[in-house]
Amino acid sequence: GENVEQHPSTLSVQEGDSAVIKCTYSDSASNYFPWYKQELGKGPQLIIDIRSNVGEKKDQRIAVTLNKTAKHFSLHITETQPEDSAVYFCAAQGIQGAQKLVFGQGTRLTINP
Amino acid sequence: GAGVSQSPSNKVTEKGKDVELRCDPISGHTALYWYRQRLGQGLEFLIYFQGNSAPDKSGLPSDRFSAERTGESVSTLTIQRTQQEDSAVYLCASSYLGIGNSPLHFGNGTRLTVT
Repeated sequence: GENVEQHPSTLSVQEGDSAVIKCTYSDSASNYFPWYKQELGKGPQLIIDIRSNVGEKKDQRIAVTLNKTAKHFSLHITETQPEDSAVYFCAAQGIQGAQKLVFGQGTRLTINP
Repeated sequence: GAGVSQSPSNKVTEKGKDVELRCDPISGHTALYWYRQRLGQGLEFLIYFQGNSAPDKSGLPSDRFSAERTGESVSTLTIQRTQQEDSAVYLCASSYLGIGNSPLHFGNGTRLTVT
């Protein structure tokens, strides 16, 4: 089955700098890749997603890139702010139509003022 | 409701007891999912409901775990004869059209502690 690896497990950046989180997946048939942000004591919240027919997607300060050949995708956060501090999870859907997301282990992002 | 609601938010139980966790999805969402999140780890898929049926229950760890959904609304996850390794946050999510077609909306979870 699908396996998703996420790096780094922790990331600390200065406010205003950029943060990059990377994930790799194992199943070449995966076609949907969402990113979630989880704040303490809350459930994960979808922040951006990308499908396998697209190489990059942006939403204000957040962008996601996908390299299907290498089977990896990345989250980029620019001009980081203290409220970006949270745990971020990448995920991959299996074969088209599969109603199951496989999650990475998470990255704890800390923005230092 | 405004979002996915889970109850209780916290549950402490003794090893060997049964527990029942409840999820109220967003109204009109036909797809419902249960995930487990152990401390400091990612989310593990448990079960998926489409309406009242469960086409995929492949993530349930053992026969001590079961789930049901009634009226295309409320779902309950039951853990029988709880063990310490069952301690985790149990998250419920719902979606209007399912993964890949519409977003998953998660509740805040039930933190289960087995002593």
